[in-house]
Amino acid sequence: GQNIDQPTEMTATEGAIVQINCTYQTSGFNGLFWYQQHAGEAPTFLSYNVLDGLEEKGRFSSFLSRSKGYSYLLLKELQMKDSASYLCAVMDSNYQLIWGAGTKLIIKP
Amino acid sequence: DVKVTQSSRYLVKRTGEKVFLECVQDMDHENMFWYRQDPGLGLRLIYFSYDVKMKEKGDIPEGYSVSREKKERFSLILESASTNQTSMYLCASSFPGTENTGELFFGEGSRLTVL
Repeated sequence: GQNIDQPTEMTATEGAIVQINCTYQTSGFNGLFWYQQHAGEAPTFLSYNVLDGLEEKGRFSSFLSRSKGYSYLLLKELQMKDSASYLCAVMDSNYQLIWGAGTKLIIKP
Repeated sequence: DVKVTQSSRYLVKRTGEKVFLECVQDMDHENMFWYRQDPGLGLRLIYFSYDVKMKEKGDIPEGYSVSREKKERFSLILESASTNQTSMYLCASSFPGTENTGELFFGEGSRLTVL
């Protein structure tokens, strides 16, 4: 079956760096997506990786290793507003998104 | 500002009632999707549509139907609501194409409680 695994919850300190991991087993691969979802709000698109390596976008970076079925989202200089759930999703061979359950990130002062 | 609007943020219905959830997008997107989101589970796809009057079943279509009479509007229908359909329902849209299909724009969600 298809599976996306990510930690349920993580805690980090304001100003620090945090890495949220995502491992996947899917039928084919057509890209990996990260979304941010604040409590009670809609998910919003953060990043897309289809080739191996690091994609940087401001304080957020996303890494992909297709051979390992692994990705991470790196958040630097954490701010209180980064408290949210982070959803990992993989597009399979049928161009359908398979979603992880999300990682709830708690930022402490 | 691009927008996906869902008709109701919160609904409370009784078992057996018919429920309509409306979704409208103003981005001229071809693709529209209905998901449900439950604690501890990833988003699960109910139905999707890549064009007007076109619909495809997702992973969990049982107990649901959809309607897409106009490009901007995608409706989710629960013919006879049951308590296990209590959930957060999220509508999303995207442009066609492989990468673009994965960049979804979501509505605020409709939290449905079935008593």
